[in-house]
Amino acid sequence: GAGVSQSPSNKVTEKGKDVELRCDPISGHTALYWYRQRLGQGLEFLIYFQGNSAPDKSGLPSDRFSAERTGESVSTLTIQRTQQEDSAVYLCASSLVGGRKHYEQYFGPGTRLTVT
Amino acid sequence: DQQVKQNSPSLSVQEGRISILNCDYTNSMFDYFLWYKKYPAEGPTFLISISSIKDKNEDGRFTVFLNKSAKHLSLHIVPSQPGDSAVYFCAARNTGNQFYFGTGTSLTVIP
Repeated sequence: GAGVSQSPSNKVTEKGKDVELRCDPISGHTALYWYRQRLGQGLEFLIYFQGNSAPDKSGLPSDRFSAERTGESVSTLTIQRTQQEDSAVYLCASSLVGGRKHYEQYFGPGTRLTVT
Repeated sequence: DQQVKQNSPSLSVQEGRISILNCDYTNSMFDYFLWYKKYPAEGPTFLISISSIKDKNEDGRFTVFLNKSAKHLSLHIVPSQPGDSAVYFCAARNTGNQFYFGTGTSLTVIP
């Protein structure tokens, strides 16, 4: 079956522009996560969606970052007025909730964002 | 504040020997611990997990050990193979279903 997909795979943008990153989770996975990985760093939690519950936005670094999810499908992460420190790989992951494997996250390949 | 730490950025091991990757955490309320493996230009892939109520979980060549009193877990790979060369991330989950990841350890298995 299809895994988690993300688009674009690479994005180069000028400082100050807005960018939108897309994630298609595995069908049936109700939980969806966004992470950021800066060069030489670990994965930094950004936001978590679970079904129709209010998303957990506690990891978003500033109000320039926002994310939406349509039901239990596609999610978009938007970064407004990009800054050079936003340059990173943005990873999306999805998982089941409940059941034996509820803690296993499946990651997409990531979007490499470069802000010049 | 880093709640999950991997203090060794890299590790080299001869093929056939044991690889031991270490991870420390600070939050005693984590209920699951996981190891992920990551190849370049790919997302992390789930490798093995352990519940906080256990102290060992084994899956083939991979064994994870959890020492709750020391807030320490480790991943053992025996025997190590060249295909195991990757970055390994330790992660922990809290009861709010948030995951915290370490900074990763790059394992190189030398043929």
